[in-house]
Amino acid sequence: AQTVTQSQPEMSVQEAETVTLSCTYDTSESNYYLFWYKQPPSRQMILVIRQEAYKQQNATENRFSVNFQKAAKSFSLKISDSQLGDTAMYFCAFMTFSGNTPLVFGKGTRLSVIA
Amino acid sequence: DSGVTQTPKHLITATGQRVTLRCSPRSGDLSVYWYQQSLDQGLQFLIQYYNGEERAKGNILERFSAQQFPDLHSELNLSSLELGDSALYFCASSPQGGLTEAFFGQGTRLTVV
Repeated sequence: AQTVTQSQPEMSVQEAETVTLSCTYDTSESNYYLFWYKQPPSRQMILVIRQEAYKQQNATENRFSVNFQKAAKSFSLKISDSQLGDTAMYFCAFMTFSGNTPLVFGKGTRLSVIA
Repeated sequence: DSGVTQTPKHLITATGQRVTLRCSPRSGDLSVYWYQQSLDQGLQFLIQYYNGEERAKGNILERFSAQQFPDLHSELNLSSLELGDSALYFCASSPQGGLTEAFFGQGTRLTVV
């Protein structure tokens, strides 16, 4: 069974600074997807970024980028130029390549961006 | 808009009652997942359906049941409700294979009083 671990329950960052959220996972699969979801106070789940395990290049989406280390089973999220609107819970998630198994979530990291 | 529709958005009911939560997945998505999120908690996987069949089961109570219909919409039935069942219930859908991700509905907030 796959597991996802987020070791930082809470983090804070000053506006305009950079912050990195950590995520590790455990799987015996070789093909899979990794995701970061954002859940703002509205509690809607919003996809931030996705990484395919077969791609060596790290995914980027504007101010959001990941550091994917497949051998270490590590998948961290870097937020650059943090904005107040980035304040949210961030969940790391794992899905097998076929999509026929549950999306497995970590317990989340609560990020506060401070003005 | 993710394309996943959940109804109702809010539901208040009394202990001991039964409710049904509905989810319409994105057009063409075969997999439907149900998750429970209690206050300030992570998402707990309940159950997954794939093209009408149960595919995986998580920490779903025996008082809870679900099904996926031929038109691929899904319903989550919660019975003999307890105060502790108060939570946000998410439905997500994903297509089969290929580049994939889970698309989440806006959730149904259930309050048991």
